Amino acid sequence: SAVISQKPSRDICQRGTSLTIQCQVDSQVTMMFWYRQQPGQSLTLIATANQGSEATYESGFVIDKFPISRPNLTFSTLTVSNMSPEDSSIYLCSVTDGRSYNEQFFGPGTRLTVL
Amino acid sequence: GDSVTQMEGPVTLSEEAFLTINCTYTATGYPSLFWYVQYPGEGLQLLLKATKADDKGSNKGFEATYRKETTSFHLEKGSVQVSDSAVYFCALRPNFGNEKLTFGTGTRLTIIP
Repeated sequence: SAVISQKPSRDICQRGTSLTIQCQVDSQVTMMFWYRQQPGQSLTLIATANQGSEATYESGFVIDKFPISRPNLTFSTLTVSNMSPEDSSIYLCSVTDGRSYNEQFFGPGTRLTVL
Repeated sequence: GDSVTQMEGPVTLSEEAFLTINCTYTATGYPSLFWYVQYPGEGLQLLLKATKADDKGSNKGFEATYRKETTSFHLEKGSVQVSDSAVYFCALRPNFGNEKLTFGTGTRLTIIP
């Protein structure tokens, strides 16, 4: 199975600032996903990031607020821009591993608190 | 669109009790079905899955059977332990086309000794 690490694991930020979250995978994967899990809620897909193309955003999420980079097959970043307290969530990176019958694996998450 | 309806929590049980967490789904075609578990302070882990009707997924004493006729994928365990305390998410993914997972709202399970 794919092993995923995220940095930072948690952060406390001031409103109006931006935070970039890194996701590193121990193997090459085609599809990477970014999810948001607001306190006490389920997971909501923010965007799908494929290497070599622009990220595809879900309804309610825009590139200006959540720019994503995917420079290679093992790495991606999500930036949360111009943060407000409503952005306080856990942000999770996820990948599809073709070696495991397309199972989807999740990173440990980044717990973000915006003051 | 696709959706997952999950038994609302929180659920509190005594150790060694029988567990059922209900999950039903709405989807076009025949999706793959999953149960994920999130232990306190950790990310999501795949607990079990089933990819076609009548398949039974099992892991760590947990089981769930893909029931096409009732569009259900209920999670069961015969004897729960304190270490099973976690949040459980039911999810589906289409077997073709995009690979996006659709999650239920999650069920928080607490097992008391």
